[in-house]
Amino acid sequence: GQNIDQPTEMTATEGAIVQINCTYQTSGFNGLFWYQQHAGEAPTFLSYNVLDGLEEKGRFSSFLSRSKGYSYLLLKELQMKDSASYLCAVMDSNYQLIWGAGTKLIIKP
Amino acid sequence: GAVVSQHPSRVICKSGTSVKIECRSLDFQATTMFWYRQFPKQSLMLMATSNEGSKATYEQGVEKDKFLINHASLTLSTLTVTSAHPEDSSFYICSARGDWENNEQFFGPGTRLTVL
Repeated sequence: GQNIDQPTEMTATEGAIVQINCTYQTSGFNGLFWYQQHAGEAPTFLSYNVLDGLEEKGRFSSFLSRSKGYSYLLLKELQMKDSASYLCAVMDSNYQLIWGAGTKLIIKP
Repeated sequence: GAVVSQHPSRVICKSGTSVKIECRSLDFQATTMFWYRQFPKQSLMLMATSNEGSKATYEQGVEKDKFLINHASLTLSTLTVTSAHPEDSSFYICSARGDWENNEQFFGPGTRLTVL
């Protein structure tokens, strides 16, 4: 079956760095997405990786290793507003998004 | 990025009534639209995928006669929850994908449905 695994919850300190991991097993691969979702709101797009390596976008970076079925989202200089759930999603061979359960990130002052 | 609107943002209805939710792509043509449901503290669950002018493809376990989807144009899809019951209370989110390379989906703001 298809499976996306990510930690349920993480806690980090304001100003610090946090890495959220995601491992996946899917039927085919057409890219991996990271979304941010604040409570009661719809997800917003953060990043897209289809080739191996690191994609950097401001304070957020996303890494992909297709051979290992592994990705991480790196958040630097954490701010209180970064408290949210972070969803990892993989697009399979049918171009359907397979969603992880999300990682709730709690930022402490 | 592209903008997707959803209406209404919040609806409360009595058990047994039907509720229609609209999803619009405002500044692009959505070749594919997706309908998700999300229960509290759970991840998104895909309900159905719709392409303009064709019947929606429903995920396993989703009743197509209860959740009617119409994708009448490249900018509008509707989800009608028929004969709603309290267990249908949830956060319904649509997303839309245009004809671009990275297959990114843009999400609407969601509709909070409460069935009394």
